[in-house]
Amino acid sequence: GIQVEQSPPDLILQEGANSTLRCNFSDSVNNLQWFHQNPWGQLINLFYIPSGTKQNGRLSATTVATERYSLLYISSSQTTDSGVYFCAVASKLTGGGNKLTFGTGTQLKVEL
Amino acid sequence: DAGVTQSPTHLIKTRGQQVTLRCSPKSGHDTVSWYQQALGQGPQFIFQYYEEEERQRGNFPDRFSGHQYPNYSSELNVNALLLGDSALYLCASSLRLAGTDTQYFGPGTRLTVL
Repeated sequence: GIQVEQSPPDLILQEGANSTLRCNFSDSVNNLQWFHQNPWGQLINLFYIPSGTKQNGRLSATTVATERYSLLYISSSQTTDSGVYFCAVASKLTGGGNKLTFGTGTQLKVEL
Repeated sequence: DAGVTQSPTHLIKTRGQQVTLRCSPKSGHDTVSWYQQALGQGPQFIFQYYEEEERQRGNFPDRFSGHQYPNYSSELNVNALLLGDSALYLCASSLRLAGTDTQYFGPGTRLTVL
């Protein structure tokens, strides 16, 4: 099946710093989503972005589908940004389904 | 507009028992997927239901089964519980023909098997 790799696995930032999280995937995709998992386990949708660029406040994301990677940018980080960030993809090879395969996540901690 | 809801929030069972978890999809959604998230790992796909049928299945044994009702709500059943079934179980809903396939997740059910 499709492989999803995220980097870095862990990241510690000072409040106000910027960061870039990366997601590499091994096959063509028809769905790519970025999530933030809070300490209570809730997966919060950040972006649906199988290709192109989107921005939402301090967050933005870019997916280059032809090169099989996606980037999540966090600017002016805040302590509330702490948590685990997951990239999840659905392979075009799954034949119309929408089975998401998750990466191992990036654990982000923002300190004062 | 209610989001995805799951019940119960927490559950403790012993080995060999059976458990049923429940999920109500986001209003207007018709597809429900279930995921298992072990501690420190990303969620793993269990199966997906659409039109009351299992459409896709991940690499999980037959002890894991499900159901979808006409109102699109869904259940996940796990028989003969093992210690390794302890995990956060997440339900996600989507609208199959939306063209975006964005999945929205519920808050999860935390299952502990003793």
